[in-house]
Amino acid sequence: AQSVSQHNHHVILSEAASLELGCNYSYGGTVNLFWYVQYPGQHLQLLLKYFSGDPLVKGIKGFEAEFIKSKFSFNLRKPSVQWSDTAEYFCAAKGGSQGNLIFGKGTKLSVKP
Amino acid sequence: GAGVSQSPSNKVTEKGKDVELRCDPISGHTALYWYRQSLGQGLEFLIYFQGNSAPDKSGLPSDRFSAERTGGSVSTLTIQRTQQEDSAVYLCASSLVDNLAGGYYNEQFFGPGTRLTVL
Repeated sequence: AQSVSQHNHHVILSEAASLELGCNYSYGGTVNLFWYVQYPGQHLQLLLKYFSGDPLVKGIKGFEAEFIKSKFSFNLRKPSVQWSDTAEYFCAAKGGSQGNLIFGKGTKLSVKP
Repeated sequence: GAGVSQSPSNKVTEKGKDVELRCDPISGHTALYWYRQSLGQGLEFLIYFQGNSAPDKSGLPSDRFSAERTGGSVSTLTIQRTQQEDSAVYLCASSLVDNLAGGYYNEQFFGPGTRLTVL
């Protein structure tokens, strides 16, 4: 079955630390991958997306993600986090003829000032 | 409007009552999705509309759940005889039609959600 898994439930970092959030997907065929972010009290927003081409994708607010097909992974990275990055991060995938996104369970990121 | 809107933002109801949740997608978006966000469960897909038809209802958890979309715009999710396990945030998203032949899937824009509490 198609699925997306996120390895970390809750990550706590200090400001300026580097961030990497893991995401693995289980899909056959063409797959498009997304990272969404939900800041406290706000709705889900798209951080970045991968469709094809360069496997290193840059998104908003200094985030990037690398698509590694051989590992079925799409990890999210940021070299130096800020307190304002405190949020919940969701990895999602869409493929084949399905209409909906399949989401991971999310990773809560807490950044200490 | 500029984004996806949902109403009400909060709904508290008693077990056994019916509730209706509304979603107004972004103008021109033909695809509309309902998801449910429960504590510890992440986001679960419920139903997908393309225009007024629902080619995928596979995520609806029981026959107490139904949804419709009229005029290719507003959608209503109805939960009959609510149960406590229905308590969750119900999210709506909309997008332009996907280019499946080209393997291109359009971004889904999410609304703020309706927090449903069943007492």
